[in-house]
Amino acid sequence: GAVVSQHPSWVICKSGTSVKIECRSLDFQATTMFWYRQFPKQSLMLMATSNEGSKATYEQGVEKDKFLINHASLTLSTLTVTSAHPEDSSFYICSARLAGRGNEQFFGPGTRLTVL
Amino acid sequence: TQLLEQSPQFLSIQEGENLTVYCNSSSVFSSLQWYRQEPGEGPVLLVTVVTGGEVKKLKRLTFQFGDARKDSSLHITAAQPGDTGLYLCAGRKNYGQNFVFGPGTRLSVLP
Repeated sequence: GAVVSQHPSWVICKSGTSVKIECRSLDFQATTMFWYRQFPKQSLMLMATSNEGSKATYEQGVEKDKFLINHASLTLSTLTVTSAHPEDSSFYICSARLAGRGNEQFFGPGTRLTVL
Repeated sequence: TQLLEQSPQFLSIQEGENLTVYCNSSSVFSSLQWYRQEPGEGPVLLVTVVTGGEVKKLKRLTFQFGDARKDSSLHITAAQPGDTGLYLCAGRKNYGQNFVFGPGTRLSVLP
């Protein structure tokens, strides 16, 4: 149990386009989902915390107008990278926290974004 | 500055050797987690420790939480190539807060 999926697993796009990444909790309800970015050979950097039915909380330095997060249901959160540029190329990972089990968060397999 | 420091940053060893990696902070954590991440995949939770001095074992992996809950170690006995990956520690100061990740230790076990 506690499986998190991401779609797509990888995407290549042209500079200036927008890309949407989906994060789904497949067999549980996630009141909170997290979005991370990971550059090559670096650790995970939290971008934002997404709570179902409310606005996401962004970490300092993350542009909320560029990285749009929607958490419309207890099993789905989306991250849209708007007007993507080559410097946005990265590995984007989501995680979901089980309601009532505050210590546990389960990570998706990640989405590799390459912006040409 | 990093809330969590991990050492060593890189480690390359031969199959069968033992190793220890460390996660240190000047802050006290209510809980600390260790993850392993393989290239192109998301991190996988290995263990959560919550009590100072706690020791947990997972097959050949032994995790210890410092008495003061500021540091932790991961010891691997008889490392295997399948242990290769990025080992991340993540700490949370208070229940309900988000976990903060350390920079990771990249382990390579050579056959």
